[in-house]
Amino acid sequence: SAVISQKPSRDICQRGTSLTIQCQVDSQVTMMFWYRQQPGQSLTLIATANQGSEATYESGFVIDKFPISRPNLTFSTLTVSNMSPEDSSIYLCSGGDRSGNEQFFGPGTRLTVL
Amino acid sequence: LAKTTQPISMDSYEGQEVNITCSHNNIATNDYITWYQQFPSQGPRFIIQGYKTKVTNEVASLFIPADRKSSTLSLPRVSLSDTAVYYCLVGYTSNTGKLIFGQGTTLQVKP
Repeated sequence: SAVISQKPSRDICQRGTSLTIQCQVDSQVTMMFWYRQQPGQSLTLIATANQGSEATYESGFVIDKFPISRPNLTFSTLTVSNMSPEDSSIYLCSGGDRSGNEQFFGPGTRLTVL
Repeated sequence: LAKTTQPISMDSYEGQEVNITCSHNNIATNDYITWYQQFPSQGPRFIIQGYKTKVTNEVASLFIPADRKSSTLSLPRVSLSDTAVYYCLVGYTSNTGKLIFGQGTTLQVKP
């Protein structure tokens, strides 16, 4: 199993600013993923973060808005750029392997944009 | 990826067995069926995974009929702490590990 931590746990930001969310895994994982979850809603996959290559984004998400780094097998960051109130959400990271079997999730970062 | 359909919500009482059924009519031959549990203010947690027939672990059982077009997550003797959202996921994009979440079932366990 893997334990995943995220920082910050929550933040309140002003419109037009950017926030970088950090995701740390206590063991090496092949794949890391970033999700967004609106309160009371399901999770939406933003992108897949691979070490040594650019992240792969899902439809509706672009690198300019959500740049991602994956410098090693235990760490990733997601930046929410030029924020607007519509970006207010919970952002979660997860780690796993290519099989699609068990993934481990972080506790999430609750972002509020004013 | 196979689309899943599950009830939006269910109510139960402590001590009862709860069965949540998920429909996945277009499941592919190599798709597995996986269930996750999510408590408020936490990330989802893996519960169980299966391919066919029955799988049981310390938390739940998963029943999959022969045609695999549906599956049932069974939680024995639920307690208040089992109140959560339960997600059924089917399949994965080959070699990418991606998980696509459906709407989930909100289970409310009452005393």
